[in-house]
Amino acid sequence: EVQVMESGGDLVQPGRCLRLSCTGSGFTFGDHAMTWVRQVPGKGLEWIGFIRRKADGGTTEYAASVKGRFTISRDDSKSIAYLQMNSLTTEDTAVYYCSRDFGGISDYWGQGTLVTVSS
Amino acid sequence: QLVLTQSPSASASLGASVKLTCTLSSGYRRNAIAWHQQQPEKGPRFLMKLNSDGSHAKGDGIPDRFSGSSSGAERYLTISSLQSEDEADYYCQTWDTGIRVFGGGTKLTVL
Repeated sequence: EVQVMESGGDLVQPGRCLRLSCTGSGFTFGDHAMTWVRQVPGKGLEWIGFIRRKADGGTTEYAASVKGRFTISRDDSKSIAYLQMNSLTTEDTAVYYCSRDFGGISDYWGQGTLVTVSS
Repeated sequence: QLVLTQSPSASASLGASVKLTCTLSSGYRRNAIAWHQQQPEKGPRFLMKLNSDGSHAKGDGIPDRFSGSSSGAERYLTISSLQSEDEADYYCQTWDTGIRVFGGGTKLTVL
């Protein structure tokens, strides 16, 4: 069974950093790009970035709202993708989702992890 | 610019059918999309990938009540025999080189 699970959400102060993890199971992790999406409570889904599989260069793409502050990486030996978030602001408060990317769409999602940025 | 447009809300009666619409911006009418369902307090769930010709491939365990169709720049999700658990937010998603895009979502109320 394909599963994706996020972890690492926490309450952090503005200006601080946080790293989220996304663990995949039930599929060959290295064969897929992985996408991060966030959702402010009560709002819609916002794509924030993805990392390509190594066979496609392992490169990353980011939304303008997080470019330069957020970094996505992956460790295929552990089936984990990471989202490093720096210089957090209150506007980054959201539930963060990870999803398996299949040809440009998210075909399996995690349950999300809550990041709260507050003093 | 790649944009997906969805109506903010829709409603239909228990047991009836409803058709939700996702509209692709100009220049992207051939894009395939995905439909996702998000029930209250849950993560999104992939429903199907829908191509411009109306062919679609559903996710694991998605009932036959869910179907997709296409016309020009419009992509549709039809839910028949509505059940209470279909009350949810529905998002469409598409992509271009280097980006992924979500529509604003449609909140479906089952009356």
